[in-house]
Amino acid sequence: SQTIHQWPATLVQPVGSPLSLECTVEGTSNPNLYWYRQAAGRGLQLLFYSVGIGQISSEVPQNLSASRPQDRQFILSSKKLLLSDSGFYLCAWERGLRGNYGYTFGSGTRLTVV
Amino acid sequence: AQTVTQSQPEMSVQEAETVTLSCTYDTSESDYYLFWYKQPPSRQMILVIRQEAYKQQNATENRFSVNFQKAAKSFSLKISDSQLGDAAMYFCAYRSAKSTNAGKSTFGDGTTLTVKP
Repeated sequence: SQTIHQWPATLVQPVGSPLSLECTVEGTSNPNLYWYRQAAGRGLQLLFYSVGIGQISSEVPQNLSASRPQDRQFILSSKKLLLSDSGFYLCAWERGLRGNYGYTFGSGTRLTVV
Repeated sequence: AQTVTQSQPEMSVQEAETVTLSCTYDTSESDYYLFWYKQPPSRQMILVIRQEAYKQQNATENRFSVNFQKAAKSFSLKISDSQLGDAAMYFCAYRSAKSTNAGKSTFGDGTTLTVKP
């Protein structure tokens, strides 16, 4: 079966500390992968997407970066967190060759920068 | 750039009743996909229903159905026989069908649905 795993679920980090959020997909190959951020009570903002290993596209200039070291692994990172990086981060995998089946989301990471 | 607008920040419905959530979008494209996602208090985002723009027939998934009006660029979600478990935030999303789009979706700001017993 096709599943997506995201961890950790919750993270409290001090300002200036590094960040690493990980997302892995099972049961499919060469998936399109996405990192979204959701502010409290708001919609989703696309941060990064990847259509293949080593292929990363950034949508919003910011303090974050992404990497895809393996086909089904997508990592969101930061060298030094800012207060404004707090939020709910969601990893997603797009189903279907044409993208017409929508996203399957991970369970999300609630990041609080203190 | 495409935009998605959900004009109802909050809605409420009585259990067993029917409720309709509104969504409008702006695009110059003719081929695209539309989705409704549900985010319950657990914050796990789940796909509820999808619609392909070239299909005139409105999509239906059990108690969930859509009213897709392509000319009006409207994509509303109807929930029939509302249940307590339907209480969640609902997001409308647009995804271009262009291959160069790389699957990027644009989301509305969401509608919080409360179901009253």
